[in-house]
Amino acid sequence: DIQMTQSPSSLSASVGDSVTITCRPSQNISHFLSWYQQKPGKAPNLLIYAASSLQSGVPPRFSGNGSGTEFTLTISSLQPEDSATYHCQHSYRTPWTFGQGTKVEIK
Amino acid sequence: QVQLVQSGAEVKKPGASVKVSCKASGYTFTDYAMHWVRQAPGQRLEWMGWINPVNGNTKYSQKFQGRVSISRDTSASTAYMELSSLRYEDTALYYCARVHVYYYYYTMDVWGQGTTVTVSS
Repeated sequence: DIQMTQSPSSLSASVGDSVTITCRPSQNISHFLSWYQQKPGKAPNLLIYAASSLQSGVPPRFSGNGSGTEFTLTISSLQPEDSATYHCQHSYRTPWTFGQGTKVEIK
Repeated sequence: QVQLVQSGAEVKKPGASVKVSCKASGYTFTDYAMHWVRQAPGQRLEWMGWINPVNGNTKYSQKFQGRVSISRDTSASTAYMELSSLRYEDTALYYCARVHVYYYYYTMDVWGQGTTVTVSS
């Protein structure tokens, strides 16, 4: 199975800051990567697919980058409603696996 | 609007089985694969398997092979996930998720609200 490692596990930043979360798969997955946002008590919500494509309806302050074995999710100009846990997930082959999540808190 | 509505919370004893339903609306059920993902307390999201709603073909994570069965009723636009021989560690929130294909990239673009399954004696 492909192992997905996210960093950091948590971060705290101020409104207006830019934050970046990294996801490293244990092997090359090309661009087969999605990012999800999950708020407490809610289902995950798709933000980014194919590593860098923004899902319809998602604010453009969210962006994804990378390929192969290193990917990033950047939130530019952090907003209060961005407080959530963010997960990366590959779809290169089954079993699809997820990162352990990154909890983003607003200072 | 497109949505997936799952069945309600379940409490089961160890060794029992549970069957969770996922009713789709707002789109053509057979146009999209359905996957199942679970999240145990404090754990990462975990992919369980998927079903092709057109022909009923399934694929499961090896971790759950032999204990999980995913099925569908196309007339009811509903997918089902049944997990048997339940253990305490199967206590989790179970999600169904529709998979959209963009070119050849797969992603889970619509999720159910989740179903809590508690295994307790």
